[in-house]
Amino acid sequence: QLQLQESGPGLVKPSMTLSLTCAVSGGSISGHSYFWGWIRQPPGKGLEWIASIYFSGNTYYNASLKSRLTVSVDTSKNQFSLKLSSLTAADTAVYYCARHYYGDTYFDHWGQGTLVTVSS
Amino acid sequence: EYVLTQSPGTLSLSPGERATLSCRASQIVSNSYLAWYQQKPGQAPRLLIYGASTRATGIPDRFSGSGSGKDFTLTISRLEPEDFAVYFCQRYGSSSSLSFGGGTKVEIK
Repeated sequence: QLQLQESGPGLVKPSMTLSLTCAVSGGSISGHSYFWGWIRQPPGKGLEWIASIYFSGNTYYNASLKSRLTVSVDTSKNQFSLKLSSLTAADTAVYYCARHYYGDTYFDHWGQGTLVTVSS
Repeated sequence: EYVLTQSPGTLSLSPGERATLSCRASQIVSNSYLAWYQQKPGQAPRLLIYGASTRATGIPDRFSGSGSGKDFTLTISRLEPEDFAVYFCQRYGSSSSLSFGGGTKVEIK
């Protein structure tokens, strides 16, 4: 059974960089059929797709966040990561990692999410 | 900018009743690339429907999706207690078209 698990700091200071990792178990991140994505949800609000990455390192980003984003994959550890720089309070959200198919970007497996608060 | 508008914002119904949720796109959704998710408090979203009308694995048949073009509907034929939650629609396809609606909350009347 495929499982995804986010990890990272719960509290980050404004202007700093957020680093999150998603560990994948029960399946290989190197599967040719899948991309691996990040989605966030501010408290009490809707969902916002952030970025997606293929095992080869091919990535695509939400244009509104692209300038602050770096997404990477480590196939040896079966995990992928997100870095978001120049944080503000508006980046406070639950961050989810999830899987979608290569051609169809709907998310069929999700991690439980991790709350990140940006505050001094 | 591509926008998905969900209505109503909140739907107050009783168990056993039928729920009809709407998702309207600002531009035509090509190939009916429209998905629906259910989210309960403190949990991640769960995929219900993709391709506008195909139920995901393990989703009960009381959930059905329909629509094309700009207008899509999620119907829950008879609400069970566990169906009271927030529902999101999502347009998918290319990376530039990956967006979510604002959600509809289905609450117990």
